[in-house]
Amino acid sequence: GAVVSQHPSRVICKSGTSVKIECRSLDFQATTMFWYRQFPKQSLMLMATSNEGSKATYEQGVEKDKFLINHASLTLSTLTVTSAHPEDSSFYICSAGSGRGGTQYFGPGTRLLVL
Amino acid sequence: AQTVTQSQPEMSVQEAETVTLSCTYDTSESDYYLFWYKQPPSRQMILVIRQEAYKQQNATENRFSVNFQKAAKSFSLKISDSQLGDAAMYFCASAQTSGNTPLVFGKGTRLSVIA
Repeated sequence: GAVVSQHPSRVICKSGTSVKIECRSLDFQATTMFWYRQFPKQSLMLMATSNEGSKATYEQGVEKDKFLINHASLTLSTLTVTSAHPEDSSFYICSAGSGRGGTQYFGPGTRLLVL
Repeated sequence: AQTVTQSQPEMSVQEAETVTLSCTYDTSESDYYLFWYKQPPSRQMILVIRQEAYKQQNATENRFSVNFQKAAKSFSLKISDSQLGDAAMYFCASAQTSGNTPLVFGKGTRLSVIA
């Protein structure tokens, strides 16, 4: 149990376009999901907390108008990178808590390359 | 605020030997959870082991065990009988008791296993 999927796994796009990444909890409901960004050989950096039915909470320094988060249901959160630029190229990972003892389960991640 | 420190950027171990990865943390919470996650080259985050702070007994999962020293705020991971598949990035993390709070990660330790 406690499986989180993420789609797409890899995306290449042109500068100026928007990209949507989906994160789904497959076998449990998640009122809260988290979005992280990871640069090569570095740790995970929390971008935002996604709350079902309400606005996301963004970490300091993360542009909410650039990284749009929608948590429309208890099993789906989406991250849209708007007007992507090469500096947005990174590895994006989502996670969801099942509510059991603080444990979070991670999606497999999305590699974004902006040309 | 919680902080997690991993002071060993890289470690290596001979196959079948034992290795210990260090982690210290700081928190003002009286109850919290501690985790070790493994990130292999696929970059999928995998939960290795979890410790509840109110439990004095150290958690174990097959070849993986922790040495939890609450007063010293230390949470080291011991890997016994190391296998080639254990080679990965290991992240220590902490979280408040609720599953709806984000994980705070250390910078990670890259473990190499030598055949």
